Amino acid sequence: GQQVQQSPSSLVLQEGENAELQCNFSSTATQLQWFYQSPGGSLVSLLSNPSGTKHTGRLTSTTVTKERRSSLHISSSQTTDSGTYLCATSSNTDKVVFGTGTRLQVSP
Amino acid sequence: EAAVTQSPRNKVAVTGGKVTLSCNQTNNHNNMYWYRQDTGHGLRLIHYSYGAGSTEKGDIPDGYKASRPSQENFSLILELATPSQTSVYFCASGDWGQDTQYFGPGTRLLVL
Repeated sequence: GQQVQQSPSSLVLQEGENAELQCNFSSTATQLQWFYQSPGGSLVSLLSNPSGTKHTGRLTSTTVTKERRSSLHISSSQTTDSGTYLCATSSNTDKVVFGTGTRLQVSP
Repeated sequence: EAAVTQSPRNKVAVTGGKVTLSCNQTNNHNNMYWYRQDTGHGLRLIHYSYGAGSTEKGDIPDGYKASRPSQENFSLILELATPSQTSVYFCASGDWGQDTQYFGPGTRLLVL
């Protein structure tokens, strides 16, 4: 079945730096979504991007479907961006599969 | 403001006991989902529903039942709880693959 690998597993930045998070998946996916989990555990959908490039606020996601990879770029990071970023895919043959996440820590 | 609530927020159960986790959404979404989150596994889909009266198996349905009696409510039922079901459970509503997916705050379940 589908496997989703995220890298790096953890990332430490200074406030204002940019972050680049990667998501690689083993099989074709028809849906791809990025989520944010706060240090307290709450989950928020960030954006859905099965192909191409999508922007929302300081977030940019680029998904190259043929290469089975997606990235999430966070510009001008803030301390409030600290938390875990999860990538998840879904396809016609596989149900939802989540990666184990990238833990981001942004220092002031 | 779209909202998903879960109850209880914390639960301690005994092995072999019955546990019911409840989820309520005020988003008027057709789709609802139950996930569990464990260290090293990320989130895994247990059951989901397309609307009142509908329940579908996710990736790890064994040991769990689901019930969707209404548009707003979706329950996860552990008929015979086992220690391996100790986890954090999240409910969500919305369209998977769209931006409009909202999660509840989670329920921490400990099965002794």
